[in-house]
Amino acid sequence: KNEVEQSPQNLTAQEGEFITINCSYSVGISALHWLQQHPGGGIVSLFMLSSGKKKHGRLIATINIQEKHSSLHITASHPRDSAVYICAVRSYGGSQGNLIFGKGTKLSVKP
Amino acid sequence: EPEVTQTPSHQVTQMGQEVILRCVPISNHLYFYWYRQILGQKVEFLVSFYNNEISEKSEIFDDQFSVERPDGSNFTLKIRSTKLEDSAMYFCASNEDLETQYFGPGTRLLVL
Repeated sequence: KNEVEQSPQNLTAQEGEFITINCSYSVGISALHWLQQHPGGGIVSLFMLSSGKKKHGRLIATINIQEKHSSLHITASHPRDSAVYICAVRSYGGSQGNLIFGKGTKLSVKP
Repeated sequence: EPEVTQTPSHQVTQMGQEVILRCVPISNHLYFYWYRQILGQKVEFLVSFYNNEISEKSEIFDDQFSVERPDGSNFTLKIRSTKLEDSAMYFCASNEDLETQYFGPGTRLLVL
């Protein structure tokens, strides 16, 4: 069983749509990361959360520790948002780099 | 903006050969990591490094792997005797605190 599950696996949206990507995890965590992986393979860190909500531009990330669930929202989506979005968790007691990664959600935004 | 760099971008090697993957973390960062991603699969943690020693390693990071910070800037991953299953993208990352990790662009390793 995967410790980090993401849904959906693939998502196609029209430009301007509101997008939600979900992440559920089964282990106790001290932090959760949302990452963006570009088609060329490069990875960019978007957020690190341990509670509540964070916002950066058109991106919003929320986490519910009790429900072991996090969501990444993209408002007013744009074709340049097309990428793989990866949820990763740091399990409680693990070193800060010891992350357990989800398989990713491939987002394609059509103009 | 400062960034993590990795060399080479691509490497092809024969099975059984040694490879060294190089990373230059952001200069004031203290924590360093290696991850790998086999084609089509999820990213996996290999090792974390702090204060010139390994702070944690995964089951993947067996005796054929080693890491080193030979000088004040480079952070290397050595694979002593490569296997076919070592073919993957290898990412280096660094950070200075418990917040954002900065990833390098990756080295794509192909073992033939």
